[in-house]
Amino acid sequence: AQKVTQAQTEISVVEKEDVTLDCVYETRDTTYYLFWYKQPPSGELVFLIRRNSFDEQNEISGRYSWNFQKSTSSFNFTITASQVVDSAVYFCALSEAGGSSNTGKLIFGQGTTLQVKP
Amino acid sequence: NAGVTQTPKFRILKIGQSMTLQCAQDMNHNYMYWYRQDPGMGLKLIYYSVGAGITDKGEVPNGYNVSRSTTEDFPLRLELAAPSQTSVYFCASSLGLITDTQYFGPGTRLTVL
Repeated sequence: AQKVTQAQTEISVVEKEDVTLDCVYETRDTTYYLFWYKQPPSGELVFLIRRNSFDEQNEISGRYSWNFQKSTSSFNFTITASQVVDSAVYFCALSEAGGSSNTGKLIFGQGTTLQVKP
Repeated sequence: NAGVTQTPKFRILKIGQSMTLQCAQDMNHNYMYWYRQDPGMGLKLIYYSVGAGITDKGEVPNGYNVSRSTTEDFPLRLELAAPSQTSVYFCASSLGLITDTQYFGPGTRLTVL
């Protein structure tokens, strides 16, 4: 069964702290894609990253970095030197590429609310 | 490009009323999706379309209908609104490949009283 678990419901940090958001997924497919989206207080969903199951290299984009580990089925997201503008709900999502699930649909985790205090 | 647009932004319905949520994209994307987001939850797929004239059910289709007469538009119809349909509705689109990145509209917040 496909499932995405974000065990951290809420995280609160002080500005400039580093913070890691956890994401654990379940899938039977060997080919799949993982995503992170940000939902700021204004409500829209902003795409952050897409990673396929064959690429386990970590990725860094400015203050953001992602650690993909197939051995533990995890795709964790780290924000370095957090800022107040990082306050948002962050969603991890899974899309399977094969089998009967080839609709492109995203399976979302429940989200982690990050509050960065000044 | 406007990307994915949704109207209205907010709506209050009475139980039993009907309405159509509009979604349009100007990126020439083939795939379009409707999701709903309940409070404190992730998004769940309602319906999706892989091209004009082709639609299919997602995870939570009951109480909804869709049509796709053009590549650009993908309206979602609510018939006989119920309080359980109170939610935020997001439309998304992707270029064409199954696992292409989906880009989301701003959402429609619907309350059924």
